[in-house]
Amino acid sequence: ILNVEQSPQSLHVQEGDSTNFTCSFPSSNFYALHWYRWETAKSPEALFVMTLNGDEKKKGRISATLNTKEGYSYLYIKGSQPEDSATYLCAFSTGGGADGLTFGKGTHLIIQP
Amino acid sequence: DGGITQSPKYLFRKEGQNVTLSCEQNLNHDAMYWYRQDPGQGLRLIYYSQIVNDFQKGDIAEGYSVSREKKESFPLTVTSAQKNPTAFYLCASSPRPSSGNTIYFGEGSWLTVV
Repeated sequence: ILNVEQSPQSLHVQEGDSTNFTCSFPSSNFYALHWYRWETAKSPEALFVMTLNGDEKKKGRISATLNTKEGYSYLYIKGSQPEDSATYLCAFSTGGGADGLTFGKGTHLIIQP
Repeated sequence: DGGITQSPKYLFRKEGQNVTLSCEQNLNHDAMYWYRQDPGQGLRLIYYSQIVNDFQKGDIAEGYSVSREKKESFPLTVTSAQKNPTAFYLCASSPRPSSGNTIYFGEGSWLTVV
């Protein structure tokens, strides 16, 4: 079973501050890295799917980078807002088949007004 | 609205009883998945299906069974053989059988076995 590590486990950030957190994954047999946002009582929502080393993706105030050679991805949130409070999950896959993803435990982000 | 519907949202069952969780999608997706979440753990894959009438075991399939008789439906049965069935269950789907595709999730079902 593959190991996907996310850090920190939880994070309190003041509204308006920027923040980032990490996803580490095995660097061998990389196929894709996913980021999801999971708000309480809702479905996890896809943020990014990244496949290329050096890839950077952006969605509003949220962006992500990918380093497949060293096996990590960063998620950045600029100017945090209360609605950013959620658990952020990363998930990793080794192959192109639909065999599901290996998820990390998530980073629980709380934005304090 | 298009999406994934899981039912019931909350379910209580006595130990030793089988229970079936429903998952329906109207997204016309080929692939469907069942994940389980326990406190302090990441989502873990139970079963997945790439196409109708075909499914594969995930990392923690023991004590579970599934069927995929229709494209839109992927029910999960938690059998009495599952040692720790109390958990949160998430169903998901993706357009094509490729883990480079975005996976879309339902809202989940809480199962409590007493």
